[in-house]
Amino acid sequence: LAKTTQPISMDSYEGQEVNITCSHNNIATNDYITWYQQFPSQGPRFIIQGYKTKVTNEVASLFIPADRKSSTLSLPRVSLSDTAVYYCLVGPSNFNKFYFGSGTKLNVKP
Amino acid sequence: DTGVSQNPRHKITKRGQNVTFRCDPISEHNRLYWYRQTLGQGPEFLTYFQNEAQLEKSRLLSDRFSAERPKGSFSTLEIQRTEQGDSAMYLCASSLDVGLETQYFGPGTRLLVL
Repeated sequence: LAKTTQPISMDSYEGQEVNITCSHNNIATNDYITWYQQFPSQGPRFIIQGYKTKVTNEVASLFIPADRKSSTLSLPRVSLSDTAVYYCLVGPSNFNKFYFGSGTKLNVKP
Repeated sequence: DTGVSQNPRHKITKRGQNVTFRCDPISEHNRLYWYRQTLGQGPEFLTYFQNEAQLEKSRLLSDRFSAERPKGSFSTLEIQRTEQGDSAMYLCASSLDVGLETQYFGPGTRLLVL
């Protein structure tokens, strides 16, 4: 499984766009990039997944450059309820276990 | 609510006691996973089942840990002779075996070993 590197923490204010970048220099050809969100005392929750270029859903966007050695999770107009830990995971489509790392703790301030 | 349930939500036990946790996955999901999470860290993979077969176990899963999924539905995780280092959140997740399928996590069972 490819190792990922994320910032330990980030601060933002309500209404701002937040971009969290994840480095995965050793990503393999058949690896996908998946982001999870976790609130205190809850299990992680799937946010978005992609392979290349850009993926967008109702919650976030995922930007993946051509070399795929990094990816950026973009959260538009964050609110206080977006305060959570965000994990970037990399692995093949049939992988049966996730390596979460320590994630990025996002703190949204009023 | 993801549809994955875990019981109990909290467990306090004394060192040396045995504990058992239960996970009920989303009904049509044939894959089931167990993770352990300590404070400030991300979840760590413990083991996973494809239907009733336990296909992989992490080195984190010592001999004191055993997991079962007898009928391919719910699963139990038992810890024998608990130690203080076993204190953690134990998370269960499930998914479909269709390749690019995400895992859905339950709320976890928080274990405190005194």
